[in-house]
Amino acid sequence: EIVLTQSPGTLSLSPGERATLSCRASESVRSNYLAWYQQKPGQAPRLLIYGVSNRATGIPDRFSGSGSGTDFTLTITRLQPEDFAVYYCQQYSSSPPVTFGGGTKVEIK
Amino acid sequence: EGQLVESGGGLVQPGGSLRLSCAASGFSFSAYWMHWVRQIPGKGLEWVSRINNDGRTTTHADTYADSVRGRFTISRDNAKNMLFLQMDSLRAEDTAVYYCASLSPGRGAFEIWGQGTMVAVSS
Repeated sequence: EIVLTQSPGTLSLSPGERATLSCRASESVRSNYLAWYQQKPGQAPRLLIYGVSNRATGIPDRFSGSGSGTDFTLTITRLQPEDFAVYYCQQYSSSPPVTFGGGTKVEIK
Repeated sequence: EGQLVESGGGLVQPGGSLRLSCAASGFSFSAYWMHWVRQIPGKGLEWVSRINNDGRTTTHADTYADSVRGRFTISRDNAKNMLFLQMDSLRAEDTAVYYCASLSPGRGAFEIWGQGTMVAVSS
């Protein structure tokens, strides 16, 4: 099983600042199947990034993903009020096919 | 635009059963592998189960999480655009919001999620 470790657990920032979220895998992620999701209270997760660096439909360009192998990063430039939420990384590989990181909460400082 | 709507959640006693349903619309349901993901309130996301596009499940190791294997059964009806999760021998630790989600072919990511249905296992 590929274990995903996200850091930090909580990120306290002000609107307009840059957020850098980390996701580290216990082994290399196959075919770069690494995605990022945003979740707000009471809502289902929303896909932000797939294939490490591809923005999903309708996602603003202030969200970007990067990385390879076992180390991945989600960057949010110029945080907007609506960006304060919990973010999860997810990988798709073999047995079990899907695992999620524990999440990073981006909160208002 | 694709949509998924879950139903069937509720309060059940330990050892009981529930059947969750997920109705799909607005996309080619039969072309997608479908998954169930759950979330204990206030906690992270946990993958539960998956089924391929034609309704055949793969080896159990790839079909169910260890925590539910032998107790949960996933199925689908492509003619009705429906996904199901039969949950038997429920435990307190199965208490969670259950989401159905479609995995985008070639992207390895869940593009469409339902709103979730709450399952509470308690005496």
